[in-house]
Amino acid sequence: QQQVKQSPQSLIVQKGGISIINCAYENTAFDYFPWYQQFPGKGPALLIAIRPDVSEKKEGRFTISFNKSAKQFSLHIMDSQPGDSATYFCAASMLGQGAQKLVFGQGTRLTINP
Amino acid sequence: DTGVSQDPRHKITKRGQNVTFRCDPISEHNRLYWYRQTLGQGPEFLTYFQNEAQLEKSRLLSDRFSAERPKGSFSTLEIQRTEQGDSAMYLCASSFSRAIYFGEGSWLTVV
Repeated sequence: QQQVKQSPQSLIVQKGGISIINCAYENTAFDYFPWYQQFPGKGPALLIAIRPDVSEKKEGRFTISFNKSAKQFSLHIMDSQPGDSATYFCAASMLGQGAQKLVFGQGTRLTINP
Repeated sequence: DTGVSQDPRHKITKRGQNVTFRCDPISEHNRLYWYRQTLGQGPEFLTYFQNEAQLEKSRLLSDRFSAERPKGSFSTLEIQRTEQGDSAMYLCASSFSRAIYFGEGSWLTVV
């Protein structure tokens, strides 16, 4: 119930295209859903995050779509650029008495072809 | 640079040796986390501090692992009697609200 499932494992998109990465979760107590971008040898960088009371959040070329009833959320990268080539992780967390632990998906390796 | 700082960035050690990693969180962040990431996987939670109190430890954190955060500022993660299975990137993160920010990580290779 703590898992977050991410797909696809890898994705190749042409420059200027739309990259779409999907995640699904089981635990309805999750209430915060961030996306992280990670370049080789670097730590994950917070990209954008959403809470379940909204269905979409946009920041620049990055958009999160959230479907609470389906327990799914996705990252859309518009006008994808070669510099977007990285591994993307979705995550989920919940507030509680303990740590706000992030549960990560398995990651998607995105390649943008020039 | 006001991000999360980790040191050393890379460490190669022989099996059985002890290693220590240091993390300096973003200033004024009262929450500090340690995660571990192996190749091709997402980060996994290890432990959490709120100020100087260690409030939660994952089952992944065996007795050979110990973390401290004296005075609620920087934190150290020590691994005693390292094993080859400890080879991974150890990530420190900090937060003040829901947004959690990671450092660049400390790569550990046990040979």
